Amino acid sequence: RKEVEQDPGPFNVPEGATVAFNCTYSNSASQSFFWYRQDCRKEPKLLMSVYSSGNEDGRFTAQLNRASQYISLLIRDSKLSDSATYLCVGAGSGNTPLVFGKGTRLSVIA
Amino acid sequence: DTEVTQTPKHLVMGMTNKKSLKCEQHMGHRAMYWYKQKAKKPPELMFVYSYEKLSINESVPSRFSPECPNSSLLNLHLHALQPEDSALYLCASSQAQGLVDTQYFGPGTRLTVL
Repeated sequence: RKEVEQDPGPFNVPEGATVAFNCTYSNSASQSFFWYRQDCRKEPKLLMSVYSSGNEDGRFTAQLNRASQYISLLIRDSKLSDSATYLCVGAGSGNTPLVFGKGTRLSVIA
Repeated sequence: DTEVTQTPKHLVMGMTNKKSLKCEQHMGHRAMYWYKQKAKKPPELMFVYSYEKLSINESVPSRFSPECPNSSLLNLHLHALQPEDSALYLCASSQAQGLVDTQYFGPGTRLTVL
């Protein structure tokens, strides 16, 4: 089983909509999670770290549910500039570095 | 400053060529990474250096040879590559190799093997 699995997408939403992505992880000992954003032909850029208590940054809210082993990202009031691929990232087993989900493509449409 | 730089931005090489990709960071990070990313796929880890020592090699073919000359620099030497090696090669760094560490990515080198 892949360690990090994401919604397959794509998500096509109108401007102003609220959209949520979920991601599940298999390693119950995982401690750190992140959401990265990747624009076409660019490098991944850190969007948010995901804490147990949840965290919010403007229109973006990330949540971690350890009991169900999933992470979520909520984007409110979507902008055209939010169109990108969103990568869910978690710590692998043991001391291995980050494990990336396959990414979810978001297209915000005018 | 959370900048990781990579050169060149683009590289086209033949299967018999030898070339090198370079990565640099000045954030004092002690872990550096090479990833390979194909179109519409997530980054795939290739190598990890921790305190200038190779700590992880994800069964990468020997035609890819990493080198860490010092704590700020990471190279990837390429020799006798195949067309299927064409991809975006990303370098990343983090404070240390560990479970709770954010990685910062460079802009990548887009490699085409003819």
